[in-house]
Amino acid sequence: IAGITQAPTSQILAAGRRMTLRCTQDMRHNAMYWYRQDLGLGLRLIHYSNTAGTTGKGEVPDGYSVSRANTDDFPLTLASAVPSQTSVYFCASRTGTNTGELFFGEGSRLTVL
Amino acid sequence: GNSVTQMEGPVTLSEEAFLTINCTYTATGYPSLFWYVQYPGEGLQLLLKATKADDKGSNKGFEATYRKETTSFHLEKGSVQVSDSAVYFCALTYSSASKIIFGSGTRLSIRP
Repeated sequence: IAGITQAPTSQILAAGRRMTLRCTQDMRHNAMYWYRQDLGLGLRLIHYSNTAGTTGKGEVPDGYSVSRANTDDFPLTLASAVPSQTSVYFCASRTGTNTGELFFGEGSRLTVL
Repeated sequence: GNSVTQMEGPVTLSEEAFLTINCTYTATGYPSLFWYVQYPGEGLQLLLKATKADDKGSNKGFEATYRKETTSFHLEKGSVQVSDSAVYFCALTYSSASKIIFGSGTRLSIRP
């Protein structure tokens, strides 16, 4: 069982470039999430999707966009990367119920120079 | 608003010591409470959870009890091991699927 697959694992990117982080889950979960994790700041929610075809903004959405064309995929796009977007990005999913646990991917480490 | 506060780290203990990591929350209604663990270089994974007041979650020797009267969900383990070294996150969720709130994380290091 793969769970959640993120790609790339690591990327160095020049400022101003466009970048898409990929996330695929095989658990048929309704809800999916993108978080960023910065040293000393814990996890911050960027965007989420409660179900295919819908998305919503988290606490730090600026500079990021997402789409949810189907249940399995939830890509995160940085339209024009800036150094402050250097971070580790985690994709997660869950069934959508209040008691359901989150399943996380292994993370994508992004460095913007 | 809803929030989770957990004790700041890092916490350093010797092997076989008793562990407590404090977590308190502020929430309307009746949230579910979780502890997640993040080992070095990995994503978070669920350690334990409790979905209603007085429930006790347990896993791998860790325990936490949902205390509504003190709005707390403290993580405990009677005898820690080096392999428990990780970052621990307290979290809560409630009715809307998007509402998952994490604490800031507590880094735990265990000395042999």
